[in-house]
Amino acid sequence: DSGVTQTPKHLITATGQRVTLRCSPRSGDLSVYWYQQSLDQGLQFLIQYYNGEERAKGNILERFSAQQFPDLHSELNLSSLELGDSALYFCASSVTSGVSYNEQFFGPGTRLTVL
Amino acid sequence: AQSVTQLGSHVSVSEGALVLLRCNYSSSVPPYLFWYVQYPNQGLQLLLKYTTGATLVKGINGFEAEFKKSETSFHLTKPSAHMSDAAEYFCAVTSSSGGYQKVTFGIGTKLQVIP
Repeated sequence: DSGVTQTPKHLITATGQRVTLRCSPRSGDLSVYWYQQSLDQGLQFLIQYYNGEERAKGNILERFSAQQFPDLHSELNLSSLELGDSALYFCASSVTSGVSYNEQFFGPGTRLTVL
Repeated sequence: AQSVTQLGSHVSVSEGALVLLRCNYSSSVPPYLFWYVQYPNQGLQLLLKYTTGATLVKGINGFEAEFKKSETSFHLTKPSAHMSDAAEYFCAVTSSSGGYQKVTFGIGTKLQVIP
């Protein structure tokens, strides 16, 4: 158990809908990262937050947004969903933001299926 | 810019045989290198990491990796494969950029262990 929790575990929805994925980082970790894992794209970095502030953006679509709340939990919002958004979405956390040698601790993921 | 190349998206070994998973990286700064493992239906977890110092790094479950700067490689090995090693393995390189930890993952290598 990494200490990172994600809800829900599975999500099935229809095209055009909007969903929210939730992540609680490990106790004491200030950084939260979101990743998308799909068969054709592999593991793609989406966005990072540190102590409530956005720090970095990766391959995140404009239809997607995220935020980190004062209690450090984070939510990833996916809107106008398309079939291609079906994937595993992982949240990871780490202690700091800019320290390269810190490992990231991954949650179990949310499997999103768009029908 | 940094990148990671994992040679072989699928590797099969017999139980008891040597495991060798290849990773080559590209980085404009001294790299920090990681191997993560993902078991079915789980998130990624750290196997081992190289930061500085000894170039042969030992990790969990009998795995080890050697950092070879001249070859820009960080191959993962285990002397004797066990059935429980069947999983997907990700090599990653990190650096600090603009105050955040930039992580680049390889595409992953699925390890199959044949009884």
